[in-house]
Amino acid sequence: EPEVTQTPSHQVTQMGQEVILRCVPISNHLYFYWYRQILGQKVEFLVSFYNNEISEKSEIFDDQFSVERPDGSNFTLKIRSTKLEDSAMYFCASSEVQGAGSPLHFGNGTRLTVT
Amino acid sequence: GQQVMQIPQYQHVQEGEDFTTYCNSSTTLSNIQWYKQRPGGHPVFLIQLVKSGEVKKQKRLTFQFGEAKKNSSLHITATQTTDVGTYFCAGRTGTASKLTFGTGTRLQVTL
Repeated sequence: EPEVTQTPSHQVTQMGQEVILRCVPISNHLYFYWYRQILGQKVEFLVSFYNNEISEKSEIFDDQFSVERPDGSNFTLKIRSTKLEDSAMYFCASSEVQGAGSPLHFGNGTRLTVT
Repeated sequence: GQQVMQIPQYQHVQEGEDFTTYCNSSTTLSNIQWYKQRPGGHPVFLIQLVKSGEVKKQKRLTFQFGEAKKNSSLHITATQTTDVGTYFCAGRTGTASKLTFGTGTRLQVTL
């Protein structure tokens, strides 16, 4: 069964550094998402992306965050200057269509630790 | 903004007992989905409900969507240790792409 793959599985970075989290969505999917989950808490929406542009973003997704689909397969999340509170598990997800009838397929996540 | 709350936060049952988690949204939903997240894992899609009052079953799991499309429930009959994990409801409003997750219910099952 096709999967969403994320790399790296764990990233440790110092406060103020830039990080790029990478995702390869399922190949025939058109909608891409980033969510994050602080340990033991709920899954929080960051951004959705379709047709090479952001569809929606949350209040968390401020100017420090950006997303890109640099080629036909990768989908990246960049955090320009990391803060301690950015430490979380970051999940990429993709879906075939949008809205009703569209489950999200999640990757295994990247655990980001900011020290 | 939209809030989706679940109760209880945590439930510990003995194997064979039933379990129910309730999901309440502050706004009317166009559809609701349920996901299961095993410890250390990622959310995995279980089911989607679209129609008001809809009930769907998957083996020992029964899912219900409220008449007003603002609440939902997941009931597990005769829990097994493989049911351990956190169950999240997640809803969309209108044609929005954003899927808002509930606060989750963590289920622990012991023998």
